[in-house]
Amino acid sequence: DAKTTQPPSMDCAEGRAANLPCNHSTISGNEYVYWYRQIHSQGPQYIIHGLKNNETNEMASLIITEDRKSSTLILPHATLRDTAVYYCIVRSNRDDKIIFGKGTRLHILP
Amino acid sequence: EAQVTQNPRYLITVTGKKLTVTCSQNMNHEYMSWYRQDPGLGLRQIYYSMNVEVTDKGDVPEGYKVSRKEKRNFPLILESPSPNQTSLYFCASRVGGEQYFGPGTRLTVT
Repeated sequence: DAKTTQPPSMDCAEGRAANLPCNHSTISGNEYVYWYRQIHSQGPQYIIHGLKNNETNEMASLIITEDRKSSTLILPHATLRDTAVYYCIVRSNRDDKIIFGKGTRLHILP
Repeated sequence: EAQVTQNPRYLITVTGKKLTVTCSQNMNHEYMSWYRQDPGLGLRQIYYSMNVEVTDKGDVPEGYKVSRKEKRNFPLILESPSPNQTSLYFCASRVGGEQYFGPGTRLTVT
């Protein structure tokens, strides 16, 4: 079973920040939080990952709460091309598998 | 350009006719895997390979074979395809938790 809980869908206005939440209350100390997205029928795309500290790259920012039981992926200026299913995944470096749950379907509204 | 390639991208075949879907990566990744994606069921792992000549079953291996004779290639073989193998297939390679997916192969078995 996936170790994360995400809302099934969200809307965001174009140009605004999209904030996608993820709950992972059973996360272990050696487990990382990863985010991927899948644009319709394309292969999933890696976005970002983090352990404890907040992370930022050219695509997004990842905010992890101090107790690490939840996190938020932030797309700072959403565009129509950000419409996709976003997957939050928890795994350790020793895990053989990456388990994808159902994700959040993000709709960017013009 | 770093990438995972799959061929063919689309395939329509008949029950029982052996087929192979090729997968190749140019990132020198040791870990490769195959997934299938079906509506309502999400991404499910078929087989994975930690390195050359090392393969393991994923969650849904029945009806599939793989081989890993070289690091860059990881073909998926359907010896006797059946209609329940109609699906969208993704190959992926990975370093740590950063997984890179191919563009997908849409297979229809009639």
